[in-house]
Amino acid sequence: DAGITQSPRYKITETGRQVTLMCHQTWSHSYMFWYRQDLGHGLRLIYYSAAADITDKGEVPDGYVVSRSKTENFPLTLESATRSQTSVYFCASSVDRASEQFFGPGTRLTVL
Amino acid sequence: DQQVKQNSPSLSVQEGRISILNCDYTNSMFDYFLWYKKYPAEGPTFLISISSIKDKNEDGRFTVFLNKSAKHLSLHIVPSQPGDSAVYFCAASAVFTGNQFYFGTGTSLTVIP
Repeated sequence: DAGITQSPRYKITETGRQVTLMCHQTWSHSYMFWYRQDLGHGLRLIYYSAAADITDKGEVPDGYVVSRSKTENFPLTLESATRSQTSVYFCASSVDRASEQFFGPGTRLTVL
Repeated sequence: DQQVKQNSPSLSVQEGRISILNCDYTNSMFDYFLWYKKYPAEGPTFLISISSIKDKNEDGRFTVFLNKSAKHLSLHIVPSQPGDSAVYFCAASAVFTGNQFYFGTGTSLTVIP
């Protein structure tokens, strides 16, 4: 399917476990982003990538790792999940840094 | 510290009337602003944008107004329709931040039939 997809859509894990959230886009957009949405905070940028093998930190990068070996994929890994990482995670992509972003449907992550 | 603020968590409007959603920002260097709409269990979708060189941008029923001196923007929806019921986020960016977008906390709009 064309567009941007995220998997899984829902995930429950335990404190200390490693979790990877997947993001895939079919537009060949250069830029990809990871946000988390929390009540009272709106959407906050975790990491972004300008191209394959180029990544950079956003507002709230601590506890997260990203990679981008292929243009179309941008996985987000929580190396040792904490309860404060319970959130809804959105992946997005855009043609360039200044253009509007296209968002995936989100992954609801619960850390027990 | 929240650089983009939406002080009204919710808004209810009758169908056919005007909906006005507000957004304030603290950084005068922001030069590009967007509005996104979000339905439950879906990702945000782009709605309309405005550059700081303009004070108004219109797209069908949606108009965004920018008041740079007040660091304030607003989204007007006329006429409001039940399908407009969603959460609306404003976002701002600037070249100096490398165009990173800062999002507000969102306003939940309910259009009553």
